[in-house]
Amino acid sequence: EPEVTQTPSHQVTQMGQEVILRCVPISNHLYFYWYRQILGQKVEFLVSFYNNEISEKSEIFDDQFSVERPDGSNFTLKIRSTKLEDSAMYFCASSVETGNTQYFGPGTRLTVL
Amino acid sequence: KNEVEQSPQNLTAQEGEFITINCSYSVGISALHWLQQHPGGGIVSLFMLSSGKKKHGRLIATINIQEKHSSLHITASHPRDSAVYICAPLTGNQFYFGTGTSLTVIP
Repeated sequence: EPEVTQTPSHQVTQMGQEVILRCVPISNHLYFYWYRQILGQKVEFLVSFYNNEISEKSEIFDDQFSVERPDGSNFTLKIRSTKLEDSAMYFCASSVETGNTQYFGPGTRLTVL
Repeated sequence: KNEVEQSPQNLTAQEGEFITINCSYSVGISALHWLQQHPGGGIVSLFMLSSGKKKHGRLIATINIQEKHSSLHITASHPRDSAVYICAPLTGNQFYFGTGTSLTVIP
């Protein structure tokens, strides 16, 4: 069964460094999403992406964040200058259409030291 | 913004019991997602529904759009059902997540 994959599974970085989290959505899906979950807290929406542009973003998704679909398969989340409070699990998801069932990747645990 | 409340926050049940998890939200929605988060952190979609009722195996989800309420039921619960269950209503193009209900099913 097709699935969303994410790499790396765990990323450790120093405060102020840039990180890129990678996702490969399900191949026939058109809508892509990033979420984050700080340890012990609820899942939070970051951004949705369709047709090579952001369709919606939350207030969390400020100028330090960016998303890109650099080729036909990858969907990336870049955090420009990481802060301690960026430490969280980051989930990628994809769906065939907006409002349809979303399929989640296994997540990338980001630790900022 | 959609305020989402789930109850109960924590639930312990004996194997075989019938379980109900409730979700209320504050703003009108077009659909609602029920998700299961495993102890390891992985998230699995259980249902997406916009009206009425859906059933999949031992799981049943219902929604009342007018009352802004949805329920997830698990019949004949099993220890492997132990997980966090999250509801996420869709407002506009954005899902708003509840804090989840942590379910433990004891053999």
